[in-house]
Amino acid sequence: QQQVKQSPQSLIVQKGGISIINCAYENTAFDYFPWYQQFPGKGPALLIAIRPDVSEKKEGRFTISFNKSAKQFSLHIMDSQPGDSATYFCAATEFAGSTLGRLYFGRGTQLTVWP
Amino acid sequence: DAGVIQSPRHEVTEMGQEVTLRCKPISGHNSLFWYRQTMMRGLELLIYFNNNVPIDDSGMPEDRFSAKMPNASFSTLKIQPSEPRDSAVYFCASSLARGYGQPQHFGDGTRLSIL
Repeated sequence: QQQVKQSPQSLIVQKGGISIINCAYENTAFDYFPWYQQFPGKGPALLIAIRPDVSEKKEGRFTISFNKSAKQFSLHIMDSQPGDSATYFCAATEFAGSTLGRLYFGRGTQLTVWP
Repeated sequence: DAGVIQSPRHEVTEMGQEVTLRCKPISGHNSLFWYRQTMMRGLELLIYFNNNVPIDDSGMPEDRFSAKMPNASFSTLKIQPSEPRDSAVYFCASSLARGYGQPQHFGDGTRLSIL
């Protein structure tokens, strides 16, 4: 059973546009929601993360929006650039529990930004 | 600082052969995770360790797969005998499982091809 559901599977955006990737979860015990970015031939790397008591977090062109009541969160990439072309994974974990930071990943979104 | 180091980066072998993948976590990290990535199934957690002890191996697909962590600086994932459907990219990640929000740091993976 997929603990975190991610959409879309792929996304094509023009340079300068806004990229939006959505995720949903069921487990209300999750207390940390990171996004990872993966370039070809590399491992995923932490991009930005949010905790559930905050509705939005912004770092540069990257923003996470979090809706606790709907159990949804999304990544917005403003002014998308060709260098943003990568696969993005949302994830969730329960640090307060006994899973020792085990991450539940979404299936990933392959983003292509056309110049 | 050195990141997570995986070896080999690429492995091509024939069906039936034993395959051993190696991982050196970041010094001081006490949790280690093995993942498998394929187009069909995305990023799957196979097994994870905390303080060198296996915590959850429910993601290990079959008895052909085994993992060990003999000390804090080394882990192996072994497949014996290997099959073509084991072809995938295998990632190792480590984290400091103490405190909220500690990210997982991934290696660059081993691309495994079983002929």
